[in-house]
Amino acid sequence: DIQMTQSPSSVSASVGDRVTITCRASQGVSTWLAWYQQRPGKAPKLLIYGTSTLHSGVPSRFSGSGAGVDFTLTISNLQPEDFGSYFCQQTYKFPLTFGGGTKVDIK
Amino acid sequence: EVQLVESGGGLVQPGGSLTLSCAASGFTFSDYWMHWVRQGTEKGLVWVSRINMDGSSTIYADSVKGRFTISRDNARNTLYLQMTSLRVEDTAIYYCVREMNGPTTPDYWGQGTLVTVSS
Repeated sequence: DIQMTQSPSSVSASVGDRVTITCRASQGVSTWLAWYQQRPGKAPKLLIYGTSTLHSGVPSRFSGSGAGVDFTLTISNLQPEDFGSYFCQQTYKFPLTFGGGTKVDIK
Repeated sequence: EVQLVESGGGLVQPGGSLTLSCAASGFTFSDYWMHWVRQGTEKGLVWVSRINMDGSSTIYADSVKGRFTISRDNARNTLYLQMTSLRVEDTAIYYCVREMNGPTTPDYWGQGTLVTVSS
């Protein structure tokens, strides 16, 4: 199975800050990488697929980059509604696997 | 609006069985592949199973293979997960998830149903 490793596990930032979350795959996944946001008590929501394509309705302050094994999710101009956990997922090979998550707290 | 509503979760003893359902609306159910994904107490997300549009092709995580069965009824717009020989480690919130057309990426998730396996 492809292991996905996210860092950091948690981050605390202020409104307006730029937040960067990284995800590393144990083997190459090309650009088959998605990012999800999960607010407490809610289901995950798709933010980005194919490494860098924003899902419908997702604000442009979210962006993704990378290829192969190293990927990045960037939230520019952090907003209060961005608190929650973020997960990466490789969609290159089954079983689909997720990173362990990054919790974003708003200072 | 895409809606996925799971039901059927509850408390079951180890070795027991349970069937989850997911009622889909707001899109043409038969045009989409579907998944089950679970989230345990450790809060990590684990992919469980996937089924194609007409139900003829399925795939499972090794941890549930032989114990869980995914199926669908396109006439009823409903996805199912039959779970047998349940173990304590199967305790989790189970999400019904639609796969977007094109890339193999789950896009819309239901609110989840909690399965607790305990004696």
